[in-house]
Amino acid sequence: AQSVTQLDSQVPVFEEAPVELRCNYSSSVSVYLFWYVQYPNQGLQLLLKYLSGSTLVKGINGFEAEFNKSQTSFHLRKPSVHISDTAEYFCAVISNAGGTSYGKLTFGQGTILTVHP
Amino acid sequence: NAGVTQTPKFRILKIGQSMTLQCTQDMNHNYMYWYRQDPGMGLKLIYYSVGAGITDKGEVPNGYNVSRSTTEDFPLRLELAAPSQTSVYFCASSYSIQGGYGYTFGSGTRLTVV
Repeated sequence: AQSVTQLDSQVPVFEEAPVELRCNYSSSVSVYLFWYVQYPNQGLQLLLKYLSGSTLVKGINGFEAEFNKSQTSFHLRKPSVHISDTAEYFCAVISNAGGTSYGKLTFGQGTILTVHP
Repeated sequence: NAGVTQTPKFRILKIGQSMTLQCTQDMNHNYMYWYRQDPGMGLKLIYYSVGAGITDKGEVPNGYNVSRSTTEDFPLRLELAAPSQTSVYFCASSYSIQGGYGYTFGSGTRLTVV
């Protein structure tokens, strides 16, 4: 089985400040990791993903995330946020190595990022 | 390029009524999924399908049914609506079971059961 924990349910931040959204996962097998963003009243859009290779992954809209295998974490960062980044962010994992969770995306609880002027 | 299309966008049901949430994708993806989203709970998998004629239960299947007669369509059926089914429902599709491509999501159906 696999699980995802997003450590902050809400993160308020001022415009142009840096932000980090924290994500920890648990899995007995190898996984791929994803961050999705959901703007108000919309579906989910893929922000970035880690499959293999370099542990620092860059995504759309200036976001990046770092995979840390020893700490089973995949934290999302942006050096300077904009008002338009206000949204809910979801961390997700998928098993790529068999097991009951193979091929099924498991989501964290979500983090609401609110950017204030 | 429509991607994943869900209808309706909003619906209010009375307790005990039935309805079908429609989902269609035009990307020729074999893998399709239904999730429900509740505040502070993330998304939970209801049912999934690995191809036409093949479906299986996810984490929270009770009260729902699905069918997959074509590659494009994956409707979700609620037979006897209950207030606990008030939620936002998302359909998604994927190119590969291995998962590296990620999912493409529809824009969601907001359902209220009163």
